[in-house]
Order: sequence, then C-alpha cells, then structure tokens
Amino acid sequence: GAGVSQTPSNKVTEKGKYVELRCDPISGHTALYWYRQSLGQGPEFLIYFQGTGAADDSGLPNDRFFAVRPEGSVSTLKIQRTERGDSAVYLCASSFDGLAGTQYFGPGTRLTVL
Amino acid sequence: DAKTTQPTSMDCAEGRAANLPCNHSTISGNEYVYWYRQIHSQGPQYIIHGLKNNETNEMASLIITEDRKSSTLILPHATLRDTAVYYCIVRVANTGNQFYFGTGTSLTVIP
Repeated sequence: GAGVSQTPSNKVTEKGKYVELRCDPISGHTALYWYRQSLGQGPEFLIYFQGTGAADDSGLPNDRFFAVRPEGSVSTLKIQRTERGDSAVYLCASSFDGLAGTQYFGPGTRLTVL
Repeated sequence: DAKTTQPTSMDCAEGRAANLPCNHSTISGNEYVYWYRQIHSQGPQYIIHGLKNNETNEMASLIITEDRKSSTLILPHATLRDTAVYYCIVRVANTGNQFYFGTGTSLTVIP
C-alpha cells in the first residue's frame, strides 16, 4: 500500500514569509508525528497527533510553529514569519494507533529560508 | 526515555556481516529497543525492534544482552545499498511517545 507522502518535496521561501507543509499518513493510521532534521543531526520531535487532537506539542520551538489535523488524516505544519534558522528537512511519520510503536516516515520536505 | 550511545561511524566490507553496537545502560524494564536507518536524502526506515529476546526479520537480526544494557544490530550480508545512518532508540511501549534519534552510526559499506 501507499506509504506516508509529503508535499512539497522542496520549498524555498524568503525570510518573514508564511509556509505550509503537508503530510498524508498511511491510510488507517491514527497517530501522526512531525519531526525536524537539521544537517548532520538526527530527527527532532515537534508534535504528535492522536486522531484530530495534538497529544503532545512539546517539541514545537516557538509560537510561530503550528500544526493541524482537522479530520484525523492529513496534517499541515504551518510556520509563520519564517527565519533562516527554520531551514531544515521536515519529516512526517504515522503509526497505526500510537501504541504499537513502529512509526513509518515520509520522504520529508526540505525547507530553505533565504 | 533512556538515551543511547553509538559509535559515530563504521566501515564494513561488502558481503560481510555488519555488526552495529548500541549501549543503553539506563534502559527501563518497559522500554523497547528500536533500530531505524536513514539513507541519504530519504526519511528514516524502520528495521527491527525488540524487548529482551533476540529478534530476526528479513532485514536484520537484533541481539539484546541479558541485562538489556546493550544491543547489536546485525546485517548478515552487507551490500552497498546498506550504506546509511543507523539509529538505535529506546522507547516505552504502549505510549504515543516520540522517538529520540540521537546522531546514530554512519555505516559505509565498502566494495
């Protein structure tokens, strides 16, 4: 079956602009995670959804970052007033129910803020 | 979740077994050991996980010491396509907790 998909694959924007990154999880997966990966580092957790609600948003760096999952499937990560330090690969993962453990990752969106 | 310690990098000859170690000396009784890998420019790929028994699947074997303070991921016949960064993660079961990836081991398979 189809895996986790993310769009766009690459996004270049200017400092101060607003961006949205989309994640389509595996069908039927109720848990969805966003991570951010900087060059040379492992992925770092941002936020976790169980269904439509954010169960843990402790990894969001500041209030410029926000994520939604209104129907419990597709999720959008929103970044306001982008800064050069936001440049990274943003990864999305989904899991069947958040309890089974195994997370399946998408290919990521590479965000570049000029 | 407990932290893990892995070597920064390793080399392995093509066709030989690749043995990737991981220390997790502060692991709790309800924490599983997971292994993921990340090939350049791709998202992390699940490999295997286990609690205390050794596990094997089509990709790899996972050997966990009896005291569970360390484990080894074994790729039995490494190929060039196994060149990747390998992450060892410990995580409490039955929670929605995130994975703490660390910096992993960069494995290079040499022809």
